[in-house]
Amino acid sequence: QQQVKQSPQSLIVQKGGISIINCAYENTAFDYFPWYQQFPGKGPALLIAIRPDVSEKKEGRFTISFNKSAKQFSLHIMDSQPGDSATYFCAASRNYGGSQGNLIFGKGTKLSVKP
Amino acid sequence: DSGVTQTPKHLITATGQRVTLRCSPRSGDLSVYWYQQSLDQGLQFLIQYYNGEERAKGNILERFSAQQFPDLHSELNLSSLELGDSALYFCASCFGEGGTDTQYFGPGTRLTVL
Repeated sequence: QQQVKQSPQSLIVQKGGISIINCAYENTAFDYFPWYQQFPGKGPALLIAIRPDVSEKKEGRFTISFNKSAKQFSLHIMDSQPGDSATYFCAASRNYGGSQGNLIFGKGTKLSVKP
Repeated sequence: DSGVTQTPKHLITATGQRVTLRCSPRSGDLSVYWYQQSLDQGLQFLIQYYNGEERAKGNILERFSAQQFPDLHSELNLSSLELGDSALYFCASCFGEGGTDTQYFGPGTRLTVL
């Protein structure tokens, strides 16, 4: 059972455009929603994260929008650049008072930004 | 550079064999997580250790085992290897044991089973 569903699988955007990646989750116990960026041959790296008490978080060109009632969250990359070309993973986790913290990942979105 | 190191970078072995993957967490981090990344299954959580003790188990096969040593490095042991075990194996570390701490991923070990 896939607990975090991510779309689209791949995305091609022109330089300067907006990239939008969507995720939906099932478990209402999740309380931490990070986005990871992975370049070929590298491990995933945290890009930005949000908790369900806020609806939006912005860091530079990257914004997470969070809709708790719809159990959905999305990543927006403004002014997309060729250097943003990578695979993006949404994830979710829950905190049982510090006893568990494994990330449940979406399947990933391969983003290509064309110059 | 995340500060998490993994060795070896590549590993090629035959079916039925046993291998050990090693992970050194960031300085000061107490938790180590192991993840498997494959094309069909994506990134899947295997197991977590916190300060030497097993904390959580995910989709880890019985043929796989792990441990965390007193110096906090961790090893993932894969035995009776099958073709389907070919994947990238990542470890990640964080300071605490909870889900809201940032997990820092290592560069991974690419395992190829022939």
